[in-house]
Amino acid sequence: NAGVTQTPKFQVLKTGQSMTLQCAQDMNHEYMSWYRQDPGMGLRLIHYSVGAGITDQGEVPNGYNVSRSTTEDFPLRLLSAAPSQTSVYFCASSLQGARGYTFGSGTRLTVV
Amino acid sequence: RKEVEQDPGPFNVPEGATVAFNCTYSNSASQSFFWYRQDCRKEPKLLMSVYSSGNEDGRFTAQLNRASQYISLLIRDSKLSDSATYLCVAGDSGGYQKVTFGTGTKLQVIP
Repeated sequence: NAGVTQTPKFQVLKTGQSMTLQCAQDMNHEYMSWYRQDPGMGLRLIHYSVGAGITDQGEVPNGYNVSRSTTEDFPLRLLSAAPSQTSVYFCASSLQGARGYTFGSGTRLTVV
Repeated sequence: RKEVEQDPGPFNVPEGATVAFNCTYSNSASQSFFWYRQDCRKEPKLLMSVYSSGNEDGRFTAQLNRASQYISLLIRDSKLSDSATYLCVAGDSGGYQKVTFGTGTKLQVIP
């Protein structure tokens, strides 16, 4: 199994540009989440989904949108990129949250 | 105060040593606990769940103290390959089971 696949691995954006980070999992997991990781801040939850058609905000949702039209895919959209969104983004999925999460390999985003 | 706190380290230990990390959590309603390992510039990977009775997986032992709200990870006979950052995680009891990550403790095992 591929597990959790994130694309792209690296991206440089200009301030104000928009883009979508892709995340797909092939484990039939119900739960999917997006995190950002910044030095000294740990992993912070952006948005999450408990199933197709259901999404909710996490700790730091501003500037990001998500949708979950299928069980497999959970894209993260940056509406108008800002330098403060420079970070490493991880997508994660879980069959049930209490069983722990499987992470994708991450997207390193730089906004200039 | 952070919900999950860890000593950032680094912990520099010689090969073969035993090292222990502690982590405290502030939400007394937390129901599930984990340790993740994260190598430099890689994604976090689940190391082990932490059960109330404590649990062991090879050289790794995890303990939970609900009264004092802390979790520990003990690594025996440290290997060079154990060098990584160890993330402590606490999950709530809600339907989504939202988890909160600590910022991690860095371990460097020295030859």
